[in-house]
Amino acid sequence: DGGITQSPKYLFRKEGQNVTLSCEQNLNHDAMYWYRQDPGQGLRLIYYSQIVNDFQKGDIAEGYSVSREKKESFPLTVTSAQKNPTAFYLCASSVEATGEKLFFGSGTQLSVL
Amino acid sequence: RKEVEQDPGPFNVPEGATVAFNCTYSNSASQSFFWYRQDCRKEPKLLMSVYSSGNEDGRFTAQLNRASQYISLLIRDSKLSDSATYLCVVSLRNYGGSQGNLIFGKGTKLSVKP
Repeated sequence: DGGITQSPKYLFRKEGQNVTLSCEQNLNHDAMYWYRQDPGQGLRLIYYSQIVNDFQKGDIAEGYSVSREKKESFPLTVTSAQKNPTAFYLCASSVEATGEKLFFGSGTQLSVL
Repeated sequence: RKEVEQDPGPFNVPEGATVAFNCTYSNSASQSFFWYRQDCRKEPKLLMSVYSSGNEDGRFTAQLNRASQYISLLIRDSKLSDSATYLCVVSLRNYGGSQGNLIFGKGTKLSVKP
């Protein structure tokens, strides 16, 4: 079945540590996105990529980095520069160029030890 | 200023009830509108797009009022399985000429009781 797979489901980060969240899709979508969701808050865009080897900052990119070396994969690294990383992270992809109808992965809950 | 506002709820309704949510948006340049459903600690899933003429999908009806800048979602004959958070999403397509311009509301929580 086609879909988006995020891993791990739960992740713990120590102070000063970089961690990487995985996102893989087999929907053949060109566009992929990373969102952050805090309790009681709307989703906020971290980074997005419309095509392989290209990505753009979203509204809250500071402290995060991404790569898009393959169409299927869009990993997100939460760096030590992100001082408040605890959140629910959602990866998404879209078939339409406008990126309006999103398909989401099941999310990764990141917590700080 | 980008903003999408929703009543957070919770809306507690009995099975079989009709319930409606509204969502207001501040940017008159908004072009597309959607309702997503999100279950607790799960990913959002597209429920329906909202068209200018209004649209219906089974027990769900979506309406758009551009003049007053709000969209609505009506759920008839509520089921226990409708319990979830409903996210209002507005697209500022071509905002700044970039992609990734969906604005998500914080969601309205619905709880359907037996």
